[in-house]
Parts: sequence; structure tokens; C-alpha cells
Amino acid sequence: ETGVTQTPRHLVMGMTNKKSLKCEQHLGHNAMYWYKQSAKKPLELMFVYSLEERVENNSVPSRFSPECPNSSHLFLHLHTLQPEDSALYLCASSQGSASGRDNEQFFGPGTRLTVL
Amino acid sequence: QQQVKQSPQSLIVQKGGISIINCAYENTAFDYFPWYQQFPGKGPALLIAIRPDVSEKKEGRFTISFNKSAKQFSLHIMDSQPGDSATYFCAARRNGGYQKVTFGTGTKLQVIP
Repeated sequence: ETGVTQTPRHLVMGMTNKKSLKCEQHLGHNAMYWYKQSAKKPLELMFVYSLEERVENNSVPSRFSPECPNSSHLFLHLHTLQPEDSALYLCASSQGSASGRDNEQFFGPGTRLTVL
Repeated sequence: QQQVKQSPQSLIVQKGGISIINCAYENTAFDYFPWYQQFPGKGPALLIAIRPDVSEKKEGRFTISFNKSAKQFSLHIMDSQPGDSATYFCAARRNGGYQKVTFGTGTKLQVIP
């Protein structure tokens, strides 16, 4: 596997279910991101992990719980979601540096989540 | 408050024509302006990017024009091809150890033969 991979690619869950999204990056990067992509809206940054520490949490409801066990893996644990949480969830990674310049984000293909 | 405004929402261009997508930003702290291309079933991929110290950057058929005083930038796709049909996102980033990128709402481009 190369680049950024995400599993599962599609997920349908009920509002009372608990599920997890997985992201793995094979690029040796030290920063990982979760985004939410909804139709006709900008990509919404949810969480950022830099060097395995959460450095950003953009007022995301607690029903979304991220986990970054190491620099290559990122999880998004889901519980008691709402139908409006249905969206494409994208993972990305980048190589952070002190200057922050030219550090392209590489995106995975996303998980299409449907909450019934 | 949306910090990067993108237009149009959708665009249909004849093969061989020029596709133009416009973006405007508000935050003067942004120092890097990438464009991403997203095909169905794929994540966004960096297409081309520009810094505010230059007014234009060209890579093949893709050109970014940047107007710092107006806080606007645009993507031009010359000789548009059906394979260019995708959703394009402009974005803006402020400097930092990790990337905090603000995206536009996207433009769905369809190039018809």
C-alpha cells in the first residue's frame, strides 16, 4: 500500500451504533488530519494530530472521538451519531516542519458514512 | 464565517476551451494558496499552488493568477479536456508547523467533447 489508505470505504450505521474509521499513512509523515466533506460545503477540518498529539479540535461534537496511537495510524471513533453526520470523512497527512512551508497534505480516498 | 469564497459552483466547458474558477479570501495571514483536484471516489490531490509574492504561476495547462491587493486568485485551465472533469477546490493556508488549510466550497467542472 502506498500513500494514505482509509477503511472502510463505505459505512452505514444506525444512530445507536458504535463504529470506527481507520486511516493509515505510508509516507513517513508526522501530522495527520480528519476532515468532513459535505455536499456544497467547504471541507471542514475536524482534528489535527502533530507528532501524535492532538493540536486542533474544531469544536467537534463529542460523539466523534479521534485516536492517534502512532504517527502512521489515525482512528475516528463514532457513537450515537445523527443523520446530519452523514458525509465523506477524509483523512490526510503531511510532514510538518518549523517553517511550515511547502508541506503538502496528502488525502486518502475517504469513508462514505451514512447514518440512518 | 467562510474565509474562502469560491465561484462558480459548477462549470461546463467545451473541449479545448478555457475553464476559469475564482476565489476570494479575507484573512491576510494566509501565505500559501493551493488548488486541489478531486475525482469521484478519490480524495483531493494538490494540483498547483502559489505564494502571494508572485502574481502568476503556470504548470502545463494550469495557471494560477493572484491579486494580493484584491485578495483574489483564480485557476485557469487552458485547452480543457474531458479528463479534467472533476471538482476543484481552492484553499488558503497560514504558516505553521502543521498545515491549517481553509477550503473553498468547490467547483464541479464538466468538459464536454
